Amino acid sequence: GESVGLHLPTLSVQEGDNSIINCAYSNSASDYFIWYKQESGKGPQFIIDIRSNMDKRQGQRVTVLLNKTVKHLSLQIAATQPGDSAVYFCAENINEKLTFGTGTRLTIIP
Amino acid sequence: NAGVMQNPRHLVRRRGQEARLRCSPMKGHSHVYWYRQLPEEGLKFMVYLQKENIIDESGMPKERFSAEFPKEGPSILRIQQVVRGDSAAYFCASSRRQGSGYTEAFFGQGTRLTVV
Repeated sequence: GESVGLHLPTLSVQEGDNSIINCAYSNSASDYFIWYKQESGKGPQFIIDIRSNMDKRQGQRVTVLLNKTVKHLSLQIAATQPGDSAVYFCAENINEKLTFGTGTRLTIIP
Repeated sequence: NAGVMQNPRHLVRRRGQEARLRCSPMKGHSHVYWYRQLPEEGLKFMVYLQKENIIDESGMPKERFSAEFPKEGPSILRIQQVVRGDSAAYFCASSRRQGSGYTEAFFGQGTRLTVV
């Protein structure tokens, strides 16, 4: 089975609030993680990545946190907007092979 | 710089026919990955190729499926004698080797295969 999983399959957030999407992984050898956003009918779009020698990385309105002790990854989206509605996947990279979780559907409430 | 190009976007095949899916990686990318996605599910790894080499095909079914990435031209995912269960979206991603070994993969828009 997949070694990367998500805690919640769906998440509804009020527009303007912050969103937090969680991801658990089981392979201690994973050294690189990527968050992707997939809108309906489209391919996954790279959001942000983080290496295992880091515990936090920030981008534009997004922050990824990595807790290697509990093998947990999270994606924080600040001031969520309607355009953030999508399915979000975390992926772990082992030997250049990406393994994806099931995904979390983020819905924005106006 | 064009992104990863996949064609066709939609493909309909009758049971028993062959499906050929094409993927042109981003310029300068020498690594190609194929993934399969069922509705409301995640992406399942199928195969990882470099030019003229299959690096990891652990996700490919043993029969009817094959992939290639020739020296010239796009990567091809071939499904022979398709069955209804092959209906899915097939995504291709490409990346380039980086000195650190970490590779950011970019995805195409996918090919949606429907077997009737």
